[in-house]
Amino acid sequence: DTAVSQTPKYLVTQMGNDKSIKCEQNLGHDTMYWYKQDSKKFLKIMFSYNNKELIINETVPNRFSPKSPDKAHLNLHINSLELGDSAVYFCASSPPRGGAPPNDSAKNIQYFGAGTRLSVL
Amino acid sequence: LAKTTQPISMDSYEGQEVNITCSHNNIATNDYITWYQQFPSQGPRFIIQGYKTKVTNEVASLFIPADRKSSTLSLPRVSLSDTAVYYCLAPYGSSNTGKLIFGQGTTLQVKP
Repeated sequence: DTAVSQTPKYLVTQMGNDKSIKCEQNLGHDTMYWYKQDSKKFLKIMFSYNNKELIINETVPNRFSPKSPDKAHLNLHINSLELGDSAVYFCASSPPRGGAPPNDSAKNIQYFGAGTRLSVL
Repeated sequence: LAKTTQPISMDSYEGQEVNITCSHNNIATNDYITWYQQFPSQGPRFIIQGYKTKVTNEVASLFIPADRKSSTLSLPRVSLSDTAVYYCLAPYGSSNTGKLIFGQGTTLQVKP
C-alpha cells in the first residue's frame, strides 16, 4: 500500500484552466506539505498543514489554494493556470516531533508522494 | 538568506566511494541534518539523518563535524542504481519555513 499517494500522476491542461491535485497519506501523520520542483531540480516548499491548520504559506500566488478536509488529506487547487506553473508537485507528510535532538523519537522525517507532473500549454 | 550549498553534480564509477559535502553555516542548534535521495520520476526518500558525529546505516554514512556547519554523505561502493539526486536538508532559524529549504541537490551520475 502506498503511504503517500497523489492523483493524478500527470496533468496536461490549457492556460487559464482550474485544476486540482489530491494527496492522501495513510501513515497517521499530523503534518502534510506541498512542494514544487522546477526543471533545475529545485525543491521549494509551498504550504504546510498541521492537523488541518495552515502553518506555512510561502510566497505563492493566491491562485494556489490548499485544502485539508482532514489530517490525512491535503489537496491543492490551482486557478487560472499559467505557463510558469508547469512543474512537478510533490506532497509529503511527517510525524509529530517526539522531543529535541538527540532524543527526538520521530526525527521529523518526511515521506513523499510520487509527484504530479503538471504541464500547462 | 541562509541556505545549504552542495555541488550541483558529481560523476563516479561503479565500485567507488562517493562523498557529497553540504555546507550549512547557519544551521539551527536543535535540529537534525537529513539527506534524501530522489530517483527520476519519483519523490525524494529519506536515506540518513544525524545530529552530531557519525551515523551509519545500511545505505550510507553521514559525517558531521563538531561545529555542524557542514555534513558529508558517504556512499560506499556505488552502483549504477545509485544514480540519483541527493538533497541535504539542514534547518536554520526558528521559523517553520527555515526547516524546509531543500535547494537544488547534487545530481550523482554513476558510470559503468
